[in-house]
Amino acid sequence: ETGVTQTPRHLVMGMTNKKSLKCEQHLGHNAMYWYKQSAKKPLELMFVYNFKEQTENNSVPSRFSPECPNSSHLFLHLHTLQPEDSALYLCASSQGPSGTYNEQFFGPGTRLTVL
Amino acid sequence: AQSVSQHNHHVILSEAASLELGCNYSYGGTVNLFWYVQYPGQHLQLLLKYFSGDPLVKGIKGFEAEFIKSKFSFNLRKPSVQWSDTAEYFCAVTSTTDSWGKLQFGAGTQVVVTP
Repeated sequence: ETGVTQTPRHLVMGMTNKKSLKCEQHLGHNAMYWYKQSAKKPLELMFVYNFKEQTENNSVPSRFSPECPNSSHLFLHLHTLQPEDSALYLCASSQGPSGTYNEQFFGPGTRLTVL
Repeated sequence: AQSVSQHNHHVILSEAASLELGCNYSYGGTVNLFWYVQYPGQHLQLLLKYFSGDPLVKGIKGFEAEFIKSKFSFNLRKPSVQWSDTAEYFCAVTSTTDSWGKLQFGAGTQVVVTP
């Protein structure tokens, strides 16, 4: 256990559905991240939040919409996804976003399948 | 463009053999370097990290890595592997001047240790 939890662990959805992924960290960290892990590709950073403020949107399509209501919770809202969006979505947190504070702790991920 | 390259996608070796995984990066300026491991069915875990100081870094489970600045490399080593080291290994890099802590990952190396 890293202190970062994600729900659900598995999700199957149709292209017209709307769903949300949830991440919660119990480490007292200030920065939270969403990554996408696809087969045979490097982890792709999607979003960064620091003190609840989104500081990075790595050219992610608008069908992915993040929300960070407080520094312990992070959501990823999904709508009208495509089959190529099927992947493992990882949440991470760190004490801060930069320098020696940037040791990131990862959750177990949500395995998303888009039909 | 910034990039992280891991030399091998798959490595198969026997127990007690030595392991070395290559990682090269292309970044301007100073960097923080990480190796993460993902055991089957588990979340990403930090093996070791380099921020500054001694370029030979020791991590958990007998792993070590050497930062060679002139070669832009951060290779991971273990003198004698065990079956339990079967996992996927990821090198990651962030620039110390990146205030938002964007970690760039390599594509990963799948390591299989046979009994």
